[in-house]
Amino acid sequence: DSGVTQTPKHLITATGQRVTLRCSPRSGDLSVYWYQQSLDQGLQFLIHYYNGEERAKGNILERFSAQQFPDLHSELNLSSLELGDSALYFCASSVDRGGGETQYFGPGTRLLVL
Amino acid sequence: AQSVTQPDIHITVSEGASLELRCNYSYGATPYLFWYVQSPGQGLQLLLKYFSGDTLVQGIKGFEAEFKRSQSSFNLRKPSVHWSDAAEYFCAVGANTGNQFYFGTGTSLTVIP
Repeated sequence: DSGVTQTPKHLITATGQRVTLRCSPRSGDLSVYWYQQSLDQGLQFLIHYYNGEERAKGNILERFSAQQFPDLHSELNLSSLELGDSALYFCASSVDRGGGETQYFGPGTRLLVL
Repeated sequence: AQSVTQPDIHITVSEGASLELRCNYSYGATPYLFWYVQSPGQGLQLLLKYFSGDTLVQGIKGFEAEFKRSQSSFNLRKPSVHWSDAAEYFCAVGANTGNQFYFGTGTSLTVIP
């Protein structure tokens, strides 16, 4: 158990809908990262927040957004969902924000868009 | 640009045999290197990491990895594989000027009795 929690574990929805994925980092960690894992794209970095502020963006679509709240939990919002958004979404956390920080991964949220 | 290559998509080894998973990276400076393991339906678990110093790094579950700057490699090894090692293995590089990991495409390990 990494100490990172993600809810829900599974999510089934329809195209065009909007969903919110939630992540609680390990106690004391200030950074939260979001990743998307799909069969054709592999593990792709989406976005990084540090202590409430956006720090880096990766391959995140404009239909996706995220935020980190004062209690340091984070939410990833996916809107206008398409079939291709079906994937496993991971959240990771680290103590600080450097590239050398070990990231601890949550169990993931499996999203299925029908 | 940073990148990570894992040349072997899938590897099959017999239980008790030795294992080496290959990882090559592209990065302009000394990288931070990581190996993670993902069991089916699970998140990623850190096996080991290299920041600096001794180029042979010991990790959990009997794994080790060696950083070879001249070859831009960070291969993962285990002397004797157990059936429970069957999983997906990911190599990653952390940029010291950025805030993200770059992951390889993973190597799927099958262990046969």
